[in-house]
Amino acid sequence: GNSVTQMEGPVTLSEEAFLTINCTYTATGYPSLFWYVQYPGEGLQLLLKATKADDKGSNKGFEATYRKETTSFHLEKGSVQVSDSAVYFCALVQGGSEKLVFGKGTKLTVNP
Amino acid sequence: DAGVIQSPRHEVTEMGQEVTLRCKPISGHNSLFWYRQTMMRGLELLIYFNNNVPIDDSGMPEDRFSAKMPNASFSTLKIQPSEPRDSAVYFCASSYRGGATGELFFGEGSRLTVL
Repeated sequence: GNSVTQMEGPVTLSEEAFLTINCTYTATGYPSLFWYVQYPGEGLQLLLKATKADDKGSNKGFEATYRKETTSFHLEKGSVQVSDSAVYFCALVQGGSEKLVFGKGTKLTVNP
Repeated sequence: DAGVIQSPRHEVTEMGQEVTLRCKPISGHNSLFWYRQTMMRGLELLIYFNNNVPIDDSGMPEDRFSAKMPNASFSTLKIQPSEPRDSAVYFCASSYRGGATGELFFGEGSRLTVL
């Protein structure tokens, strides 16, 4: 079946550090890929998406590139802020399906 | 516009009691999803509806769980009888173009504790 594997957290960084959160997936065909973010006490929000190979999704300084050859969709940000502290979820939806499959989430803490 | 509204935000109940969680999706959205979040299992899709019709309930853990969507602006998730292992955060999400887009709008969740 379809699945998403994220790097284990938690991740703790200092402000202005570079962020990478790894995500790999298993799916048949060509899924669409997503990153969602969950701030403390809130529901998940869509952060960015990519729908085909080599697409780059970007939003709020975050980027992720759909790499079909490595089945990966790693999240990056060049300079994190304290306000980026949250849990980040990688997710996929298989073509023809309406079921979004999430990874376990990676908690990020950014210290001033 | 108001987002997805869930109630109650917190519920503490005793084993064996009935629990009803409520959700109001964003107006105009035609798909609704119920997810459960736990530390051990992460986010699990329980059931989803398109145009008020249940499409896939294969994620509902057992017969104690039921969900309804009587109209486009309201859905309930009921657990009867509740058990301690049902303790989790339950999220409702809606989408205006269906789940295939992956673009879901989540509520703030209902945190359930079963003693």
